[in-house]
Amino acid sequence: AQSVTQLGSHVSVSEGALVLLRCNYSSSVPPYLFWYVQYPNQGLQLLLKYTSAATLVKGINGFEAEFKKSETSFHLTKPSAHMSDAAEYFCAVAPYGNNRLAFGKGNQVVVIP
Amino acid sequence: DAGITQSPRHKVTETGTPVTLRCHQTENHRYMYWYRQDPGHGLRLIHYSYGVKDTDKGEVSDGYSVSRSKTEDFLLTLESATSSQTSVYFCAISESSATTAYEQYFGPGTRLTVT
Repeated sequence: AQSVTQLGSHVSVSEGALVLLRCNYSSSVPPYLFWYVQYPNQGLQLLLKYTSAATLVKGINGFEAEFKKSETSFHLTKPSAHMSDAAEYFCAVAPYGNNRLAFGKGNQVVVIP
Repeated sequence: DAGITQSPRHKVTETGTPVTLRCHQTENHRYMYWYRQDPGHGLRLIHYSYGVKDTDKGEVSDGYSVSRSKTEDFLLTLESATSSQTSVYFCAISESSATTAYEQYFGPGTRLTVT
């Protein structure tokens, strides 16, 4: 069965600093990988996805993630944090051909002015 | 934004009463899902559907049932609500193709409080 680990439930970052959220997965077959963002009192929005094409994936709002098979990782980064990036971020994995996602427990990002 | 609505958006109910939450989509997607979101647990799958009248259990299905009589509607029923079912419930939809990779689109959520 697939699973996702996100360490650090709360992440504080200064405005203008690098945002780095770590995601490690386990999957018995090549996976699809996703990052979602959730703003307060809203549903989840897709930030970006990996589907076995390019290993460096660019998403919305300046975020990107790199798939590293040898490390079973899919870390999310943004070079310069904005106040509007304050939200909760979820990593999710689905084995190829499987329509069920397994979600990590999420990272609550706080941006410090 | 994907056309997904959930009703009601907020509900307070008493322990032991039945509750039905509705998810409605206008995208004609095949797959529909119900999740619950609780602090420290992320999103956990309750039930999902892979077609009309075709449903299966997720990881936290005890105490919940679902029905899908039309492509556009997916109902979640709490047969006898308990305080442990106080949560935020999200519906999601997806479609399978070479480009979508089963990515899921989420509704706005229903906040349920069981007193």
